[in-house]
Amino acid sequence: SQTIHQWPATLVQPVGSPLSLECTVEGTSNPNLYWYRQAAGRGLQLLFYSVGIGQISSEVPQNLSASRPQDRQFILSSKKLLLSDSGFYLCAWSSGSRTEAFFGQGTRLTVV
Amino acid sequence: SQQGEEDPQALSIQEGENATMNCSYKTSINNLQWYRQNSGRGLVHLILIRSNEREKHSGRLRVTLDTSKKSSSLLITASRAADTASYFCATGSYNNNDMRFGAGTRLTVKP
Repeated sequence: SQTIHQWPATLVQPVGSPLSLECTVEGTSNPNLYWYRQAAGRGLQLLFYSVGIGQISSEVPQNLSASRPQDRQFILSSKKLLLSDSGFYLCAWSSGSRTEAFFGQGTRLTVV
Repeated sequence: SQQGEEDPQALSIQEGENATMNCSYKTSINNLQWYRQNSGRGLVHLILIRSNEREKHSGRLRVTLDTSKKSSSLLITASRAADTASYFCATGSYNNNDMRFGAGTRLTVKP
C-alpha cells in the first residue's frame, strides 16, 4: 500500500535561518507531488506541484523553493525564513489531478 | 490562488441533524473532491465527483455537482460529534495537474 511520510511534525526556526522540509512517498511510482501551506483557521494555499523528477511548478512567488531530486521525494526549502513563513505545511501525492490526493500529517512551522 | 469557496465558513449543529456545506468554483473542472481535516492534522479524502456526474453517495455523505452554476454541495446526514472537523472542496482541471482548495467550512456537531 502507498504511504506518505512528512517530517518534522513541528519546527521552530529563527528569522533568517534556512529551511528544509522533506516528504517521501512509498508504494507508488511517478506520483504528482504537492506542497501546500495553511494559515491558522484558513484554507490550503498551493505552493508547488511536480509531475516528475526535476519538474516543479510554482504557484506563488516567495522566498520558498521546491525540489524533486528523486521520483518519490519532494523537498521544500528556504535560504532565509521570514516571520510570514510561519504556518502549517502539508505535502500530498496523487496519481493525477483526476484522482484523490493523499496527505502527510503536516509540519507546524513557527518562525520566531 | 484558491479555486473553491466554501460556505458557510462555520456551521454548528446538534448531533442527529443534517449538515450542508457548499462550494463554488471559478474555472472548468474535470472533477471536484471533498476532504475532511481534523484540527492540526492532514486532510483525508471523502468523495470525488466527476464533471459528468450530478450526484454521488458514500455512506452518510451525499455530494451534488452543478457545473452550470459551478457549485457543489456536501450533505452529511444524521451527524455525529465525531464529524466535527473542517471540510474542504478541491478541484481538478483538465489542462494541468494542480489541485486547488477552498477556504473550508468548520463544522461543529454538539453532542
